[in-house]
Amino acid sequence: ETGVTQSPTHLIKTRGQQVTLRCSSQSGHNTVSWYQQALGQGPQFIFQYYREEENGRGNFPPRFSGLQFPNYSSELNVNALELDDSALYLCASSLPPGQGAFYGYTFGSGTRLTVV
Amino acid sequence: GDSVTQMEGPVTLSEEAFLTINCTYTATGYPSLFWYVQYPGEGLQLLLKATKADDKGSNKGFEATYRKETTSFHLEKGSVQVSDSAVYFCALSELAGANSKLTFGKGITLSVRP
Repeated sequence: ETGVTQSPTHLIKTRGQQVTLRCSSQSGHNTVSWYQQALGQGPQFIFQYYREEENGRGNFPPRFSGLQFPNYSSELNVNALELDDSALYLCASSLPPGQGAFYGYTFGSGTRLTVV
Repeated sequence: GDSVTQMEGPVTLSEEAFLTINCTYTATGYPSLFWYVQYPGEGLQLLLKATKADDKGSNKGFEATYRKETTSFHLEKGSVQVSDSAVYFCALSELAGANSKLTFGKGITLSVRP
């Protein structure tokens, strides 16, 4: 089975710009969650997508937005980038909400975003 | 809200030493508990999990037991190897939550020297 793939692996953007990160979920998984991992910290939940709709959101401003497509892949969009947005962005796929808590999540290798 | 607290790091051990990494949690419901490992430059890999009290998760020589009475999920390994050097994250996920999001601890860096 294929795992979770994320693109790009690294990205450098200028403050104020917009960025789109992409994620393909593991085969058989229909739920995608996004996490932000600042340097030296644990991942923080951004939001989750299930059935192409947002299914829960962490403490992140509206300039963080997402999409999920019919093939369960997902995008994370960040507008008006700030220096503090520099982090590793991780995508995780799972079975439907609730089942992820039982069976676990599969993470991608992440996208390292640097905002200068 | 839910939270996970991990012992302060980093931890440096010699090869074949015994490892314990402490993890305690606070949750409103009945969470599943996880240990994830992150090798340099990579994403997170699920190491082991436990979904109810007294369950023991195990994988690759690592073990952790879900202790509801002490709200703990400490990670142990009897004999560490250099290849175990990584960052270890304890996490929980509420089974009854709408999205079952993962709540992580801050992580602890383990370095194993030959």
